[in-house]
Amino acid sequence: DAGVIQSPRHEVTEMGQEVTLRCKPISGHNSLFWYRQTMMRGLELLIYFNNNVPIDDSGMPEDRFSAKMPNASFSTLKIQPSEPRDSAVYFCASSLWGAFPSYEQYFGPGTRLTVT
Amino acid sequence: SQQGEEDPQALSIQEGENATMNCSYKTSINNLQWYRQNSGRGLVHLILIRSNEREKHSGRLRVTLDTSKKSSSLLITASRAADTASYFCAKGAQKLVFGQGTRLTINP
Repeated sequence: DAGVIQSPRHEVTEMGQEVTLRCKPISGHNSLFWYRQTMMRGLELLIYFNNNVPIDDSGMPEDRFSAKMPNASFSTLKIQPSEPRDSAVYFCASSLWGAFPSYEQYFGPGTRLTVT
Repeated sequence: SQQGEEDPQALSIQEGENATMNCSYKTSINNLQWYRQNSGRGLVHLILIRSNEREKHSGRLRVTLDTSKKSSSLLITASRAADTASYFCAKGAQKLVFGQGTRLTINP
């Protein structure tokens, strides 16, 4: 059974470039989360979706960040334009939410982003 | 601000010893979760404890919750080298807020 899949695993880009991170949640899960992890700020929730609808994007740092979930099996996090301070590990996680919710979140392996 | 704060920030013990990590939080909770993160990997859920529970076990893991003190602890008994990782507590239902974590090193 495949877990949460993220691509790419590593991304190195120059300041000003557009970066797109991709996530495939666990089949059957209806909630998807994007996190960012840095040494300074720890693990921060950026945005989450329920049934493909964004529920809370209050953690998205700036308008340069955007996230979409066009269907139940795919989500993207885009940074345009990228800046060096965006360098971090970005995690996607999924869970099952509903009448009998599971609070447990399943994390992907992360994308390590370096912006030079 | 962080709702789950772990203590200590780092812990180094010998294999076979017990490891205890603590988590404090500021506002009331319905449940609290503990996660493990191995170096370079994503987080893995370990255990969830509800506000009406005081203690929960899972294998070598024991979690306690003291709602009056707004604190929880994670005990790993008979530690192994494979337990070397960072451990995080997380508060919330869907919108989890993670602490800064405890880096645990098990020395052979």
